[in-house]
Formats: sequence, C-alpha cells, structure tokens
Amino acid sequence: NAGVMQNPRHLVRRRGQEARLRCSPMKGHSHVYWYRQLPEEGLKFMVYLQKENIIDESGMPKERFSAEFPKEGPSILRIQQVVRGDSAAYFCASSYREMNTEAFFGQGTRLTVV
Amino acid sequence: SQQGEEDPQALSIQEGENATMNCSYKTSINNLQWYRQNSGRGLVHLILIRSNEREKHSGRLRVTLDTSKKSSSLLITASRAADTASYFCAPVGGFGELIWGAGTKLIIKP
Repeated sequence: NAGVMQNPRHLVRRRGQEARLRCSPMKGHSHVYWYRQLPEEGLKFMVYLQKENIIDESGMPKERFSAEFPKEGPSILRIQQVVRGDSAAYFCASSYREMNTEAFFGQGTRLTVV
Repeated sequence: SQQGEEDPQALSIQEGENATMNCSYKTSINNLQWYRQNSGRGLVHLILIRSNEREKHSGRLRVTLDTSKKSSSLLITASRAADTASYFCAPVGGFGELIWGAGTKLIIKP
C-alpha cells in the first residue's frame, strides 16, 4: 500500500505562470487536506476535500488558488498567475475519515517562483 | 483559533539528555497530534492523543495532555543526534484538519 504520493517534488515556475500540484491519497482514503509551509514558518491549513466535494476552504487565499478532488484521479491544488510569495512547500495529507485518525502526509511539493 | 503554540521555539541539548517541548491551544479538541519535520523534508507522525487520554507512550516518546489547561507536552528521553528536527503539535479542528503552530526547533549536540 503506497503512501500519499505528491508530485512533482519540486516545481519551478516563472511569475504569472500556473502551478498544478497533485496528490494521490493512500488507498482507501477519501479525505484529503492541503497545507502550506512558508520558508522558516509552520504549516497552515488550506483546504479539506472529500471526493468531488470541497468541505472547508477557509485557509485558501481568495484569489488564484483552487483545489479539486475528482471522483477518479488525484487531488489537484492549482495556483494561477503565481507570484514570488507563493514559493513554499505544499503538503497533502489523507485519512480514511475525519477526526480521531492519523493523517498520512506526502513528501510535499516545493514550489519556487522565479 | 485552535492553533497549537509550541514552547520553547528552539531547544539545544546534549545527546543523552531529555528534551521537553510544550504546546498550548485555545479551544476544545477531539485529539491532538505531534509531528516531526527534518530540515527541508516531509512530516512524520509521532503520536495522536485523544481528549480523554492523559498520557501516551511510544518508544522514547511520552506525550501528556491536560485538557483543563489546554496544554500538551512531548518528552523525548535519552536524545540522539537523529532527533534533531522541528517538532509540531497540531490540535485537530472541526473538520479533522490539523491546526499548526510554529514548531520547536530541537538541536541535539553530540
């Protein structure tokens, strides 16, 4: 049973381009959480999704950021028109249900905007 | 917010000594989790402690939880150089999301 898979591990984008980060949860997990870690800072919750539904996006910036978790395929975090301040590590975690269970993390995608 | 706030922000000790990190949070929780992150790497889950538990052990790790004081502590006994990392506590929010603090940077000196 593979763990949470995130790709790419490293992503370099020029300002104004789009960044697409993918997260494949562990088998059997239908809950996905995205977190962002800015350099030298802690992690911050961005969005919580279940299959085909956004449950809580209170941590998502209002513009340029979107997330989806389709019925088939990985969860996608999409950042449009990236800016330097978007440079960060983005972590995805999955669990088989919310609360009371360990969240399993991917290795993260390190986005660098140049 | 329920953000976990770790204390101290940085801790440097000799190998073999015990390391204690504290965490406080603001609202009611269902459970609280501790994670480790090596520099520039991913997150490793250490322990999950539920609100009805007071203490939990895992190898050299001991976690306590005091819901009346809204605080938790992580004790690493007989520290090793490989324990050098950042440690985060994360209370769990209403949707199961983890609410992170800034972490404690632990350095174990050989």
